[in-house]
Amino acid sequence: DTGVSQNPRHKITKRGQNVTFRCDPISEHNRLYWYRQTLGQGPEFLTYFQNEAQLEKSRLLSDRFSAERPKGSFSTLEIQRTEQGDSAMYLCASSFTTGWGYEQYFGPGTRLTVT
Amino acid sequence: DAKTTQPNSMESNEEEPVHLPCNHSTISGTDYIHWYRQLPSQGPEYVIHGLTSNVNNRMASLAIAEDRKSSTLILHRATLRDAAVYYCILRFVDSNYQLIWGAGTKLIIKP
Repeated sequence: DTGVSQNPRHKITKRGQNVTFRCDPISEHNRLYWYRQTLGQGPEFLTYFQNEAQLEKSRLLSDRFSAERPKGSFSTLEIQRTEQGDSAMYLCASSFTTGWGYEQYFGPGTRLTVT
Repeated sequence: DAKTTQPNSMESNEEEPVHLPCNHSTISGTDYIHWYRQLPSQGPEYVIHGLTSNVNNRMASLAIAEDRKSSTLILHRATLRDAAVYYCILRFVDSNYQLIWGAGTKLIIKP
């Protein structure tokens, strides 16, 4: 297992286009998280899944943002009608749910640039 | 939400210990204290976490004040590879998915 992977690593899109990012978590992890990170700031929590169930989505930034994890394995984050303010690093993390630690393992991120 | 306060940046010499402080004066009894670090152009990496007692692992030590209103991450012998942004984060047990991140401390290691 090589850890959490994210694709693509970089995405440049024009304002108004839709984009979709993919995250493949560590295989035995049943929790998956999405974060957004802007320059000079820490990650900002967006949503998370336990298996295929999306247990928290109130922090998604707007209704243009949606996430899925259809079979409890990989996940996708979609942004519709992108705006320049959506330019950021989008991070995915995964974790176990046993115990109190819930150490999160992060992927390298997808950097989105909206022109 | 309880928040954390960290210095924006710190410098240290290579091969010397580093003490990274964090204040969390509004912490509640069930909030865990987590530390993550983020190397340039990488996703964050877990360092250590604790609740009340001091903790040690292969990467670092975490010293938690008796009143839990502050904590210190200790890197015993900093190397150039430890140059990163270090985040002190509180995790709420009752909403255990949620890590609330601040801006972190940028650690600069001087050779």
